[in-house]
Amino acid sequence: EPEVTQTPSHQVTQMGQEVILRCVPISNHLYFYWYRQILGQKVEFLVSFYNNEISEKSEIFDDQFSVERPDGSNFTLKIRSTKLEDSAMYFCASKKIREDGYTFGSGTRLTVV
Amino acid sequence: ELKVEQNPLFLSMQEGKNYTIYCNYSTTSDRLYWYRQDPGKSLESLFVLLSNGAVKQEGRLMASLDTKARLSTLHITAAVHDLSATYFCAVDIAGTYKYIFGTGTRLKVLA
Repeated sequence: EPEVTQTPSHQVTQMGQEVILRCVPISNHLYFYWYRQILGQKVEFLVSFYNNEISEKSEIFDDQFSVERPDGSNFTLKIRSTKLEDSAMYFCASKKIREDGYTFGSGTRLTVV
Repeated sequence: ELKVEQNPLFLSMQEGKNYTIYCNYSTTSDRLYWYRQDPGKSLESLFVLLSNGAVKQEGRLMASLDTKARLSTLHITAAVHDLSATYFCAVDIAGTYKYIFGTGTRLKVLA
């Protein structure tokens, strides 16, 4: 069964450093998302991406965040200058049509120290 | 403010018992989703409910949607230990590309 692949599974970074979280969505999917979850709590929407551009972003997704789909397969989330409160599990998700449920990746645990 | 609230937040139940988890939301939406998350794992899609009155069943779980009441239920029949997990509902916000997830219900089924 097709999977959404995320790398790395765990990233530890110093506060103020830049991180890039990588995702390979399912190949025929058209809608891409980043969500985050702090300590097994609520799942928070960050950004949606469709037709090679951001279609929606949350108030969490400020100027420190950016997304790219550089080569038609990878989908990346960059945090320019990490803060302690960015520590969370970051999930990439994709779907083929809007009505589908998401297929989530296994997540990247980001720890900012 | 948009809210998606689940009730209860924690549920401990005996094997073989039935119970219902409720998901209330405060916005207009015709689409609601249920996900399961095991500890330390990702989220797995369980049900997609796309219209008022929709009912879906898979094994011991049954989900329903009442868009007029802005309520979805996840009913557990004859619970087994393997159903222990956190269950999230998520509401597709009309006119947007995002979901809002509920607060989650942590279910523990005792043998």
